[in-house]
Amino acid sequence: QKEVEQNSGPLSVPEGAIASLNCTYSDRGSQSFFWYRQYSGKSPELIMFIYSNGDKEDGRFTAQLNKASQYVSLLIRDSQPSDSATYLCAVRGYSSASKIIFGSGTRLSIRP
Amino acid sequence: GAVVSQHPSRVICKSGTSVKIECRSLDFQATTMFWYRQFPKQSLMLMATSNEGSKATYEQGVEKDKFLINHASLTLSTLTVTSAHPEDSSFYICSARQIGADFPRNEQFFGPGTRLTVL
Repeated sequence: QKEVEQNSGPLSVPEGAIASLNCTYSDRGSQSFFWYRQYSGKSPELIMFIYSNGDKEDGRFTAQLNKASQYVSLLIRDSQPSDSATYLCAVRGYSSASKIIFGSGTRLSIRP
Repeated sequence: GAVVSQHPSRVICKSGTSVKIECRSLDFQATTMFWYRQFPKQSLMLMATSNEGSKATYEQGVEKDKFLINHASLTLSTLTVTSAHPEDSSFYICSARQIGADFPRNEQFFGPGTRLTVL
């Protein structure tokens, strides 16, 4: 079993709709959860960080964390063509020295 | 925001040569720097973690004698791919974690990556 699992996609969403990206993780001791966006040929950029159960909103992005179910998701409201990218879920363990484990990423395509 | 640079951004070399990639934190001091490799349509795979002034910790399956890492200062880490072969062609990305970074966020800032092509 992979440590961080994501559906590889591609996920196709019409412009203006809500894109929903999901991620599950295997280490129950994980404490920090990240969503990165990566455009083709570029390095990842952090778009959301969450560590408490529940929802965290930042602009059009909402991260949802459920530690009991070992599940974290990212919602993108009012999807724009510029949101088309690969979204990487990443998880870090309890210690501040723990390394970040990345999922394989979900490719999102916003169709006009 | 914190900026991490990498040099070169792109390199093409012949098989058997060595290539050095530099990673610099431009406006902050980094206790720890990480080196990742990413093959096409795959995720980032951590190669090694380096702390300033100490030996790097390599992930399982990564040859430390092939991928030499030197973290000489709090703002500079280098990755040298020795005797490069075509299978080493990949996108190499470094990231840096700031001294005193807030826990649990402990954000890692990523460099723009280096595209290595070995002919």
